Amino acid sequence: RKEVEQDPGPFNVPEGATVAFNCTYSNSASQSFFWYRQDCRKEPKLLMSVYSSGNEDGRFTAQLNRASQYISLLIRDSKLSDSATYLCVVNSLLNDYKLSFGAGTTVTVRA
Amino acid sequence: GAVVSQHPSWVICKSGTSVKIECRSLDFQATTMFWYRQFPKQSLMLMATSNEGSKATYEQGVEKDKFLINHASLTLSTLTVTSAHPEDSSFYICSARGSSGSQETQYFGPGTRLLVL
Repeated sequence: RKEVEQDPGPFNVPEGATVAFNCTYSNSASQSFFWYRQDCRKEPKLLMSVYSSGNEDGRFTAQLNRASQYISLLIRDSKLSDSATYLCVVNSLLNDYKLSFGAGTTVTVRA
Repeated sequence: GAVVSQHPSWVICKSGTSVKIECRSLDFQATTMFWYRQFPKQSLMLMATSNEGSKATYEQGVEKDKFLINHASLTLSTLTVTSAHPEDSSFYICSARGSSGSQETQYFGPGTRLLVL
């Protein structure tokens, strides 16, 4: 079983729509959680950290459910520039802070 | 966020050539850097952890004699793909440990696309 699993999508949504997707992680000792964004043929860039109480950053809202071991990302009022692959990333002190990546969820926002 | 650079961004070489990729942390000191490889439509796969002043730690299945890592200073790690073959063609990305708020994470370089003919 992969350590981090994501629905690959793609999620095709119109501009202005709300899109949400989850990822699950298998290591219950995971301590830190992140969403990264990766554009085609580019490196991953940190979008936001995910905190236990949930957190927002502009149009982006992240939630963490430790009991069920999943993380979610919600994008409100989608923009064309939100089209990208979103990577769910976790790390653990027990894994010497190595990051474990999901394969990514592709989001395409159309005009 | 922290800035990490990589050079070169593109390499096209003949089979059997050795290729050296540099990863630099530009505005901070990085005692630990990481090297990843990503094939099309797949997730990043960690190849090795590069530790300043000591030997790199390789992930299972990664040949240490083929992928030579040197972390000679607090701002520079290099990956040398020795005797590259077409199956080594991939997107190689380095990262450096940093912090995001209270959480430790990694910041990525822009990556190096290697095409071995």
